[in-house]
Amino acid sequence: EAQVTQNPRYLITVTGKKLTVTCSQNMNHEYMSWYRQDPGLGLRQIYYSMNVEVTDKGDVPEGYKVSRKEKRNFPLILESPSPNQTSLYFCASSQGWRETQYFGPGTRLLVL
Amino acid sequence: SQQGEEDPQALSIQEGENATMNCSYKTSINNLQWYRQNSGRGLVHLILIRSNEREKHSGRLRVTLDTSKKSSSLLITASRAADTASYFCATDDQGGKLIFGQGTELSVKP
Repeated sequence: EAQVTQNPRYLITVTGKKLTVTCSQNMNHEYMSWYRQDPGLGLRQIYYSMNVEVTDKGDVPEGYKVSRKEKRNFPLILESPSPNQTSLYFCASSQGWRETQYFGPGTRLLVL
Repeated sequence: SQQGEEDPQALSIQEGENATMNCSYKTSINNLQWYRQNSGRGLVHLILIRSNEREKHSGRLRVTLDTSKKSSSLLITASRAADTASYFCATDDQGGKLIFGQGTELSVKP
């Protein structure tokens, strides 16, 4: 089944404790991206990747890192999480960046 | 950066009625997409319309695009309770980013 998976689905952590949210797609898509969704603000793009080893900042990259060592994986790293990073995070992939995005199920993060 | 802005922010209708949502954006685009999100879940793609298209249909959905006004509308005909969700438009910039609007919350009452 074609899908985008994210793990974990729910995470509670404390300020400053490094964490990684994994994202994997099995559709051989070139484009992958991360979004955060906050009430009243819609989805905002954090980082995106056009292909392996190519990543670029979205609109809200501060406090996040990503890597794209393999085509299928695009982990989101929070080196030192802060409470303002409490949010709902989505990973998405597509064949081309202007094309249909396939979204993962989301990761709810609470930073205390 | 450009932004897709949906209007209205919330819409409540009765089953069987039509629902119309609008999206405006600021700069030129190649594609405009509409997505649906059921409460807290991942977004699901509905329709993609290219800048050289004016109208597109998919089942009960009709999307129009007016590039001169930098706006698009999504019409859901004969709405059902199952259509209750948030609807987002997304536009592309020239450099690889996708910009989503804040969404329209649609409530369809049985």
